[in-house]
Amino acid sequence: EPEVTQTPSHQVTQMGQEVILRCVPISNHLYFYWYRQILGQKVEFLVSFYNNEISEKSEIFDDQFSVERPDGSNFTLKIRSTKLEDSAMYFCASSPSGPTGELFFGEGSRLTVL
Amino acid sequence: KQEVTQIPAALSVPEGENLVLNCSFTDSAIYNLQWFRQDPGKGLTSLLLIQSSQREQTSGRLNASLDKSSGRSTLYIAASQPGDSATYLCMCSNSGYALNFGKGTSLLVTP
Repeated sequence: EPEVTQTPSHQVTQMGQEVILRCVPISNHLYFYWYRQILGQKVEFLVSFYNNEISEKSEIFDDQFSVERPDGSNFTLKIRSTKLEDSAMYFCASSPSGPTGELFFGEGSRLTVL
Repeated sequence: KQEVTQIPAALSVPEGENLVLNCSFTDSAIYNLQWFRQDPGKGLTSLLLIQSSQREQTSGRLNASLDKSSGRSTLYIAASQPGDSATYLCMCSNSGYALNFGKGTSLLVTP
């Protein structure tokens, strides 16, 4: 069964370092998302991506964050200069038809900023 | 802005009981509503998707209903099992691309 895959499963980094989280969405999906979940808190929307551009982003998604679909299969989230408060589980999701369709999530990448 | 609320926040039941989880939302102009299951430290597994034109969806022991006019959805789990223990999340999809989650209901089914 097709699935969304994410790497790495866990990354530990020093504050101020750049981090890239990678996702491979389901192959025929067109809409891609990043969410995060701080330990014990709700799942929060970061950004959605369609047709090679950001379609919507939240207040959390500031200039420190960027997304890219570099090669038609990968979908990456970059955090330029990590802060302690960026420590969270980051989930990638994809959908065949955006807000009208079913959303499929990856297993997540746990980011720990020291 | 869509606000999604899930009640109760936590629930503990003995094995075999039927149970209902509740989700309410403030903006009824939704495309669909999706229920997920999340195990500790894991990703979100889709359980049921209800389109705005539908009233309910069923999958095995799970039944989800949707009442858009009142801004409510319920997830009914029949004959609960210890393997059902997890956090259950409700997500609403409105116009635009941000998809809004509730905080979830943490379910514990005891043997």
